[in-house]
Amino acid sequence: EIILTQSPGTLSLSPGERAILSCRTSQSVSGSSLVWYQKKAGQAPRLLIYGVSRRVTGIPDRFSGGGSGTEFSLTISRLEPEDFAVYYCQHHDRSPGTFGQGTKVEIK
Amino acid sequence: EVQLVQSGGEVKKPGESLKISCKGSGYVFSSYWIAWVRQTPGKGLEWMGIINPGDSEVRYSPSFQGRVSISVDKSINTAYLQWSSLEASDNAIFYCARRGWIRENFYYYYGLDVWGQGTTVIVSS
Repeated sequence: EIILTQSPGTLSLSPGERAILSCRTSQSVSGSSLVWYQKKAGQAPRLLIYGVSRRVTGIPDRFSGGGSGTEFSLTISRLEPEDFAVYYCQHHDRSPGTFGQGTKVEIK
Repeated sequence: EVQLVQSGGEVKKPGESLKISCKGSGYVFSSYWIAWVRQTPGKGLEWMGIINPGDSEVRYSPSFQGRVSISVDKSINTAYLQWSSLEASDNAIFYCARRGWIRENFYYYYGLDVWGQGTTVIVSS
């Protein structure tokens, strides 16, 4: 089983600031399998990024993903009020498609 | 519209059985695997297992193997998550999600692109 470790656990930032979220995998994963989701309270998760860096249609370009091997990141270039949420990475390399434990982006 | 609609919330006692459902519409149901994901306050999102509606192949997370059963009835575009004996630790919100895919050049890209609204399960004596 591939373990995904996200850091930091919580990120306290102000609107307009940049957020950089990290996701480390216990084994190297393929570039086609790493994805990011946004999760807000009371809502289902929403797929933001697939294949490490590809934005889902309709996702603003302030969201960008990068990385390779075992180190991946999600960057939100300028935080908007609606971006404060919990973000999860996940891999689809093989079963189980484990999630990271999440990074909460909160308003400072 | 592509969507997954889950059955309603449940309140059960420890030891009782339960089966929740997830009905797909707006797409070819048998062409996309359906995953089940657990959400708890303490552990975030957990991948429980995934089923191929086309041939009913199931893959379980080791953490959930033997604790739950995943099945599908493709004639009615519905996937299921089932417990034979609930425990208090099963208190959670359960989501079904479609594993979407895109082919670009020689690669397939996957992601859980369509989610159900979630089913809250409360287990209490």
